[in-house]
Amino acid sequence: EAGVAQSPRYKIIEKRQSVAFWCNPISGHATLYWYQQILGQGPKLLIQFQNNGVVDDSQLPKDRFSAERLKGVDSTLKIQPAKLEDSAVYLCASSARGANTGELFFGEGSRLTVL
Amino acid sequence: DQQVKQNSPSLSVQEGRISILNCDYTNSMFDYFLWYKKYPAEGPTFLISISSIKDKNEDGRFTVFLNKSAKHLSLHIVPSQPGDSAVYFCAASTSNTGNQFYFGTGTSLTVIP
Repeated sequence: EAGVAQSPRYKIIEKRQSVAFWCNPISGHATLYWYQQILGQGPKLLIQFQNNGVVDDSQLPKDRFSAERLKGVDSTLKIQPAKLEDSAVYLCASSARGANTGELFFGEGSRLTVL
Repeated sequence: DQQVKQNSPSLSVQEGRISILNCDYTNSMFDYFLWYKKYPAEGPTFLISISSIKDKNEDGRFTVFLNKSAKHLSLHIVPSQPGDSAVYFCAASTSNTGNQFYFGTGTSLTVIP
């Protein structure tokens, strides 16, 4: 079974530029998450999708971050314009179940460096 | 507001000994808890979980203990092996918030051969 795929693995941009990250979850997984992990911290939830609907985006900085999951499969996370404090690893995860007894399957992450 | 806390950023143990990683939480509504392991340049991988209806769950060398009254859980690894060296995150969720997981800050475990 293929895992969660993310791209690009690494991205370096200057502040005020834009960047987009792509995620392909495990086939059949209805729930998709984007997490931000700043160095030395635990993953912080940015947005959660159930199929193509947003379940929670309360911690997403909506003035600069946006995410979509068209057709309920792939997802993209965009940052525009980027700030220095956006430097982090952006982790995509998926889950098979809607209840709380399923675990998350993570991709390898996309490391963003903002100069 | 950090709802899940791991107060020890790092831990070193000798190979063959027991590793104990601790995690505290503040939200009494959490009813499902997980441990993840993360190697450098990789995403976290699921290790073991426990539901709030249990106080212990065991899987091979890994055992998770839950103390609901103290809002505390721990991960025991015995015997510890050098390949266990990684960052360990605990996570918690509530059944009424649609499968949202909150993570601690992680503990870096080093197992010394």
